[in-house]
Parts: sequence; structure tokens; C-alpha cells
Amino acid sequence: DTEVTQTPKHLVMGMTNKKSLKCEQHMGHRAMYWYKQKAKKPPELMFVYSYEKLSINESVPSRFSPECPNSSLLNLHLHALQPEDSALYLCASSQGGGVAEKLFFGSGTQLSVL
Amino acid sequence: GQQVMQIPQYQHVQEGEDFTTYCNSSTTLSNIQWYKQRPGGHPVFLIQLVKSGEVKKQKRLTFQFGEAKKNSSLHITATQTTDVGTYFCAGPMNRDDKIIFGKGTRLHILP
Repeated sequence: DTEVTQTPKHLVMGMTNKKSLKCEQHMGHRAMYWYKQKAKKPPELMFVYSYEKLSINESVPSRFSPECPNSSLLNLHLHALQPEDSALYLCASSQGGGVAEKLFFGSGTQLSVL
Repeated sequence: GQQVMQIPQYQHVQEGEDFTTYCNSSTTLSNIQWYKQRPGGHPVFLIQLVKSGEVKKQKRLTFQFGEAKKNSSLHITATQTTDVGTYFCAGPMNRDDKIIFGKGTRLHILP
């Protein structure tokens, strides 16, 4: 299995909703990432988990809350989002624990905040 | 701060023509990675270059890493419609540092 699987593929939520994005990989990768990508822009790093510990938080607002239940799973909990948070949310993984390694991306969750 | 700059931002080429995108970093990179993102898709890893002056080829794609490890290029020979997409370079400034993406070059192929 060489895939990073993300669910849901599309999500529409109101500003008062709570929702979660899920990511799963079974490649034995030890680092997992959340990226945010606006249209026609590069992916922008949000969080990195290395060996199931949060190693990088790029000063992301607290309305985004990551969780790594185990080495294969990564969640992003969303609460009280703003319309400007609408974007493609990409999960990625890399083999070792170092964050400088090549990334395997999931197909993303297209999020719309109304 | 650390920056990875990429040019051009957009490129329209006739099918069959060559295409090159360039990537420049403000600091030395420990490695450079290239990704391709098709319209509506997600970034897909193409290649990683590590050594100063390294050149790698994948069929019609040629990747180069500069001698100073501050710049890189991707050259596509005889473009095809399947080459359409955005090409991103990305690199960490240090071995364990986070990967910074260039702004990308959007390639459009005219039939």
C-alpha cells in the first residue's frame, strides 16, 4: 500500500460547526504532515508529527487542532472556522522522522466554510 | 527569512516545444525536491537531488542541482499534453528543517 488516504474529499461547514479531517497511511512512515493550499498557491505547512509527537506547529490558529492517535493516523479537528479558512487541506507522510524527506501526499479535503 | 523563488510563474508552450522552470534559494539547500500537481489534483513527488552539480533524468524530464546548492532547474523536452500542471520545487534549508515550497510554475500546453 503506497497511498495516503484522506477523508472526506469534500466538506462544507458553517462557522459554528465542529468537524474533523482524517488521514491514514500504511507505509510505515514515521512523519505525518498537514498542509493548507489555497488556489494557485503552493502548499503551506501547518503541523508536523514525528514519531507520533508534534514537532512543528507553524503558528496555526487554535481553531485548528491536530491529533496523531497512532503512527498510521492523523486527524485535524476544526472548530469555529472562518470563511478565509476555505482551502484544500493536504495530508502528507515521509518515511523517517526527519522533516526534510520526500513527501507522499493524500488527495486532500476541499473545505468550504460558509 | 528563508525563501525559495521559482520562475516563471506561468508558461504556455506549443505541444512539442521544450519547457524549463528555475528555482533559486536564498540559502544553501541540503536537498531539492520537485513535485507535480495536475489541475484538481495533489502534489506528486518527482525527484530529489542531493549532491552539488547533480543531474538526473526521467524520460523527457531533466533535473539539475546547482554547484552551490542554491538553485535547480527542471527541463522538459518535447512537451506533451500530459505534462500540464504546476511544478513545484521544494527544499529544506537544513537536514532536519521543514520543507519550503517555491510558488510553482503553471505549465499550459497549446495543442
